[in-house]
Amino acid sequence: KAGVTQTPRYLIKTRGQQVTLSCSPISGHRSVSWYQQTPGQGLQFLFEYFSETQRNKGNFPGRFSGRQFSNSRSEMNVSTLELGDSALYLCASGALGTGDPYGYTFGSGTRLTVV
Amino acid sequence: AQSVAQPEDQVNVAEGNPLTVKCTYSVSGNPYLFWYVQYPNRGLQFLLKYITGDNLVKGSYGFEAEFNKSQTSFHLKKPSALVSDSALYFCAVRVQKLVFGTGTRLLVSP
Repeated sequence: KAGVTQTPRYLIKTRGQQVTLSCSPISGHRSVSWYQQTPGQGLQFLFEYFSETQRNKGNFPGRFSGRQFSNSRSEMNVSTLELGDSALYLCASGALGTGDPYGYTFGSGTRLTVV
Repeated sequence: AQSVAQPEDQVNVAEGNPLTVKCTYSVSGNPYLFWYVQYPNRGLQFLLKYITGDNLVKGSYGFEAEFNKSQTSFHLKKPSALVSDSALYFCAVRVQKLVFGTGTRLLVSP
């Protein structure tokens, strides 16, 4: 079956702009989590969605938001970009609600560079 | 709050030798523990997980991990390292969400 698809793979934006990242989970998975990876902070949890509802949220400012659609695809939006938002953004497709509720499969990520 | 510690930033091992990447955790309740590997400019690849049952968990690519409740550890091991095992390894614990350690870079020399 197809894996987790994140688009775009690379993105360059200017400070102050906003950006939207997309994640399509594995077919049948209804959970999508987002993580930010930076050299200084490591892997930080942003939020998790399950069946279009946000289940958990990390400690990020309100500039970071997300949503999930009825087909389980998720989008993450960052408004008023700052240089510190430069990172690899990873999406995880979660098997919650299936026979393997602890399974997580990650996408290849979106590399965001803010200049 | 749950947390994971990977005390070594880097582990160096010669090809053919056994390798261990250390992980300790702190969590209230039953821990659900994971190991992931990351190659350059890629996402995280699942290696193995411990949910319950046998303390020795076998995973992908010949890796295994031993859950030790008394020492709150979940060290990753492989009997014979390959150069291609060189990558960044993350330990994680799940309580409502995945919480990752800081990662350990494994360098396997020929």
